[in-house]
Amino acid sequence: DIQMTQSPSTLSASVGDRVTITCRASQSINNWLAWYQQKPGRAPKLLIYKASNLETGVPSRFSGSGSGTEFTLTISSLQPEDVASYYCQNYNSVPLTFGGGTKVEIK
Amino acid sequence: QVQLQESGPGLVKPSETLSLTCTVSGGSISGYFWSWIRQPPGKGLEWIAYIYNSDNINYNPSLKSRVTISVDTSKNQFSLKLSSVTAADTAVYYCARRRVVGVTVDAFDIWGQGTMVTVSS
Repeated sequence: DIQMTQSPSTLSASVGDRVTITCRASQSINNWLAWYQQKPGRAPKLLIYKASNLETGVPSRFSGSGSGTEFTLTISSLQPEDVASYYCQNYNSVPLTFGGGTKVEIK
Repeated sequence: QVQLQESGPGLVKPSETLSLTCTVSGGSISGYFWSWIRQPPGKGLEWIAYIYNSDNINYNPSLKSRVTISVDTSKNQFSLKLSSVTAADTAVYYCARRRVVGVTVDAFDIWGQGTMVTVSS
């Protein structure tokens, strides 16, 4: 199985800050990586697919980059509505696997 | 637009079988990959299984011996059965769609709202 490791597990930042979350795969997954946002009590929502493609309707302050085994999700200017948990996901091969999640809070 | 809705018992006894159904509305169930994903309280996401057109099925090896996924195209539904449940199977269970773009099977673009299943006597 491909293990997905996210860091940090928790992040506290101020409104307007640039925020970066890292996801590492235990082996190459090419660009087959997605990022999801999950707010409390809600289903995950797709933000980024194929490592760097912004899903329709997602604000442009979200961006993704990386390839192979190292990926990042960046929020260019943190907004109060971005408080949520964020998960990366490998869909290069089965079993499909998720990172452990990063909880983003407002300082 | 396409919407997913999970249904099934919210409480299952230990050693029994958990059964859930996902109803797809606003579009056809054919031609897409349909999955079940779960999330224990306060924890992360775990993919359980997917099905495509009833003849392409894949299970998470960690659950494979206890899981069955199936599809009923006439009802636009797909289902999950998880046998011999224990407290460790207590979780929110989501159904989700992986979109297909040409020959590429992409990320989970549509999710159900999730249903909480508690395993307890």
